[in-house]
Amino acid sequence: EPEVTQTPSHQVTQMGQEVILRCVPISNHLYFYWYRQILGQKVEFLVSFYNNEISEKSEIFDDQFSVERPDGSNFTLKIRSTKLEDSAMYFCATMGLVGGSHSYNEQFFGPGTRLTVL
Amino acid sequence: QKEVEQDPGPLSVPEGAIVSLNCTYSNSAFQYFMWYRQYSRKGPELLMYTYSSGNKEDGRFTAQVDKSSKYISLFIRDSQPSDSATYLCAVSGGNKLVFGAGTILRVKS
Repeated sequence: EPEVTQTPSHQVTQMGQEVILRCVPISNHLYFYWYRQILGQKVEFLVSFYNNEISEKSEIFDDQFSVERPDGSNFTLKIRSTKLEDSAMYFCATMGLVGGSHSYNEQFFGPGTRLTVL
Repeated sequence: QKEVEQDPGPLSVPEGAIVSLNCTYSNSAFQYFMWYRQYSRKGPELLMYTYSSGNKEDGRFTAQVDKSSKYISLFIRDSQPSDSATYLCAVSGGNKLVFGAGTILRVKS
């Protein structure tokens, strides 16, 4: 069964460093998302991406964050200058047009990247 | 008012019990309702998806949506120790998902 994959599974970085988190979406999916989950807290939306552009972003997704789909397969999240409070699990999710329009909102999540900022 | 409210539990039940998990939401524009299961330090796994009001059944799982009261439920019949996990409700107006805090479920053998 197709699944979303993410690399690395765990990233440790120093405050102020840049990190890039990678996601390989399910192959026929068209909508891509990043969410994060700080330990013990709820899953929070960061950004959605469709047709090679951001379709929606949250207040968390400030100028330090960026997303791109550089080669038509990978979907990346870059944090330019990490802060301690960026430590969290980052989940990629993807969605495709499956069957009728009523089912198009099913988002499938990857296993996550645990980011630790020291 | 939070967009989605969910009792974090933990909810502890004996094996074989019927489990009822619930969420309320505030925005009547939400039309898509999902339940995810999450094991510790893993990604959310989609369990049930419902569009608009009504019931949906899949094996031991039944999802119920009542848009008039902005209330969504997940029922698990014949619960098993392997059902022990955190259950997340999520709602959407068509793009981003808004999650509840998650309910920790423990099924004791």
